[in-house]
Amino acid sequence: DAGVIQSPRHEVTEMGQEVTLRCKPISGHDYLFWYRQTMMRGLELLIYFNNNVPIDDSGMPEDRFSAKMPNASFSTLKIQPSEPRDSAVYFCASSPRNEQYFGPGTRLTVT
Amino acid sequence: AQKVTQAQTEISVVEKEDVTLDCVYETRDTTYYLFWYKQPPSGELVFLIRRNSFDEQNEISGRYSWNFQKSTSSFNFTITASQVVDSAVYFCALSEGDSNYQLIWGAGTKLIIKP
Repeated sequence: DAGVIQSPRHEVTEMGQEVTLRCKPISGHDYLFWYRQTMMRGLELLIYFNNNVPIDDSGMPEDRFSAKMPNASFSTLKIQPSEPRDSAVYFCASSPRNEQYFGPGTRLTVT
Repeated sequence: AQKVTQAQTEISVVEKEDVTLDCVYETRDTTYYLFWYKQPPSGELVFLIRRNSFDEQNEISGRYSWNFQKSTSSFNFTITASQVVDSAVYFCALSEGDSNYQLIWGAGTKLIIKP
């Protein structure tokens, strides 16, 4: 079975632009997590879903960030408008119960 | 207070040496899970092991072994006969309760294996 798939792998955009990150979880996994990783702050949980329903979005930094999971096989994380401080690697992970399996990440650079 | 402490920020050893990465956790729950993940220079996060709080048996997988001791709230990870490919950042993580699947992450230990 394929692992977690994320696209794009790299994204370079200008400040103020909208950015959409995409994730396809492992089939059959009920949980989906979005993380952000930076050198300064380490790995931060942004939001997670259970059976497509957002459970905890307390880690979403601002209203500029939004996440959706319209079905069991797809989720998006949107940043609008983007700012340079949003530059980071964004990971999606899915989980059947306890252990989480991570995608390769999207490296976002906002100039 | 940190719930998962990886006190070693960076460790550097020469290839073929054994190395132990420390992880100390803090929780009031009787049911919890502990994890180790590896993040090589390529950036992906790789799941290595999960251990639940009721299973204190040590685990060995090839050159990797894990020592879980509830008495000291530690879940240490040892690599035997280290290899250059083991160079990575290693994260320890905790989830509390039986139905809470959020992970509380340690800060990570950067392991450098020199040839």
